[in-house]
Amino acid sequence: KAGVTQTPRYLIKTRGQQVTLSCSPISGHRSVSWYQQTPGQGLQFLFEYFSETQRNKGNFPGRFSGRQFSNSRSEMNVSTLELGDSALYLCASRFRAGTYEQYFGPGTRLTVT
Amino acid sequence: GIQVEQSPPDLILQEGANSTLRCNFSDSVNNLQWFHQNPWGQLINLFYIPSGTKQNGRLSATTVATERYSLLYISSSQTTDSGVYFCAVERTGRRALTFGSGTRLQVQP
Repeated sequence: KAGVTQTPRYLIKTRGQQVTLSCSPISGHRSVSWYQQTPGQGLQFLFEYFSETQRNKGNFPGRFSGRQFSNSRSEMNVSTLELGDSALYLCASRFRAGTYEQYFGPGTRLTVT
Repeated sequence: GIQVEQSPPDLILQEGANSTLRCNFSDSVNNLQWFHQNPWGQLINLFYIPSGTKQNGRLSATTVATERYSLLYISSSQTTDSGVYFCAVERTGRRALTFGSGTRLQVQP
């Protein structure tokens, strides 16, 4: 079974631009979560989607948003990029929320200049 | 929110040595996972262990949920074990993993 895939793997953007990252979960998994990893803050939860609905959201500004499609694929969007948004963005999937382990994709490394 | 503390923060071992990594958490959890982050950033699942003991080759893990801690044992360490090990927990009803700060392991030949 193929793992979680994320595209693109690397991205360089300029302050003020916006960016969209994509995540395809493991086949059959319906829950997708997003995490941000930075050297200063470590790994932090962004949001979780299940059945196309956002079920939980972390403590991030409204510039960070996401959505999930009917095939469980998910996208996250960051608008008006700031230098501090430079990070590794990790996507995770699981069969359903609350009970089973999460599996992570390889991540998208975003650099904001 | 729930607090997750990992110790030690850094560990240097000689190849062949054994080690124990610890994860303390501050609330009841229904999910606890150990990960190894590879040099490219991907989190590799080691154990899903909200309670009990599991073993996988040279690695084993124990979670004592009533006392709110988990241990990861690495035996006969190899240079390929180097990297950062994370413990992550999901508080009951929270639907999000909270990660510890990690243990950076360096295994020297």
